[in-house]
Amino acid sequence: DAGVTQSPTHLIKTRGQQVTLRCSPKSGHDTVSWYQQALGQGPQFIFQYYEEEERQRGNFPDRFSGHQFPNYSSELNVNALLLGDSALYLCASSRRGTSYNEQFFGPGTRLTVL
Amino acid sequence: GQQVMQIPQYQHVQEGEDFTTYCNSSTTLSNIQWYKQRPGGHPVFLIQLVKSGEVKKQKRLTFQFGEAKKNSSLHITATQTTDVGTYFCAGSYNNNDMRFGAGTRLTVKP
Repeated sequence: DAGVTQSPTHLIKTRGQQVTLRCSPKSGHDTVSWYQQALGQGPQFIFQYYEEEERQRGNFPDRFSGHQFPNYSSELNVNALLLGDSALYLCASSRRGTSYNEQFFGPGTRLTVL
Repeated sequence: GQQVMQIPQYQHVQEGEDFTTYCNSSTTLSNIQWYKQRPGGHPVFLIQLVKSGEVKKQKRLTFQFGEAKKNSSLHITATQTTDVGTYFCAGSYNNNDMRFGAGTRLTVKP
């Protein structure tokens, strides 16, 4: 049983470019959350997808958008990249409808913006 | 706004000493989770606390949730080198919006 997978593992972009990150949830999970983790900081909640809709959103600008597919996998898109977008982007999956909202994190995508 | 404060930021202990990290929220939490992140790794779920005053133990780890559901702590007894990493609390205000603390980085000297 594969856990949460993310691709790519590393990515280098320049300011102003756009990037798409991908996540496949753990088998049996239907909810995907995205987090941004700057170096030395805790993960910051970006948004959560369930049933192909954005259900919750953190304090991130509209440059950050996402999508969830019928197979529960998800994408995170960031437009007009800024230097400050350099971070580890983590995807976490869980199963909605259970009282125990344990999240399983993927290994993350390290994004560097030059 | 809703946020979770975590202290201390760093803790360096001698192997065998105890370790505690604390989290505090200005508003009531619906639940709190604890995660451990090893250097270069990703957060790994440890436990979730839901009930007021709840205490849970996992071997040498003891987790507490305050009576007012605004604070929580993680205590490790007799630390080992395998305990090294950053410990995060993550509080939920509506079961979906999760706010992580800044983490406590634990180093253990053998």
